Amino acid sequence: SQQGEEDPQALSIQEGENATMNCSYKTSINNLQWYRQNSGRGLVHLILIRSNEREKHSGRLRVTLDTSKKSSSLLITASRAADTASYFCATGHNDMRFGAGTRLTVKP
Amino acid sequence: DTAVSQTPKYLVTQMGNDKSIKCEQNLGHDTMYWYKQDSKKFLKIMFSYNNKELIINETVPNRFSPKSPDKAHLNLHINSLELGDSAVYFCASSQRQTDYGYTFGSGTRLTVV
Repeated sequence: SQQGEEDPQALSIQEGENATMNCSYKTSINNLQWYRQNSGRGLVHLILIRSNEREKHSGRLRVTLDTSKKSSSLLITASRAADTASYFCATGHNDMRFGAGTRLTVKP
Repeated sequence: DTAVSQTPKYLVTQMGNDKSIKCEQNLGHDTMYWYKQDSKKFLKIMFSYNNKELIINETVPNRFSPKSPDKAHLNLHINSLELGDSAVYFCASSQRQTDYGYTFGSGTRLTVV
């Protein structure tokens, strides 16, 4: 069964704008991860946030985690056309479960 | 240097046939996985192997049989293929007890006609 649910399902923005994607999950976690999938490609690991962390940054990515609400958000700042992809949150360690993904389109 | 490689990339076959997908990782990871991604992009874990031992076997038909000859390889054999098996199958690997995430292969697009 799916563990996470991303919101929105699809997001379309202009280059330079920020993109925010949300993820909700159901069970307790040790960490939460975000992945990107370009069309026709495999998933690429972006960032991991541990359950005792509230915020983490990596380049233009900012991830927050609220374990009391069982939710996380991924913010991509100053988006580029190359950020166009599907973004998935995932929880678990040796049995990672993925959400349905947010399809992000960044228009040049 | 491809970290997780799957072959073939595309596979078109008729219903009822038996086919295999191969996966190899050169990262030295101890755990490997098979995932199925359907047309709606839902990713579902199928199997997980740690050091050649099966540790996760989700509810998949027993027509699907994984085989891990060593910890760098995890193959997927599918018997009596059905139309509903059409999907993209991803192999992935990770190192247990680390927080570096999974490394995915580029996928095998299986089409059953």
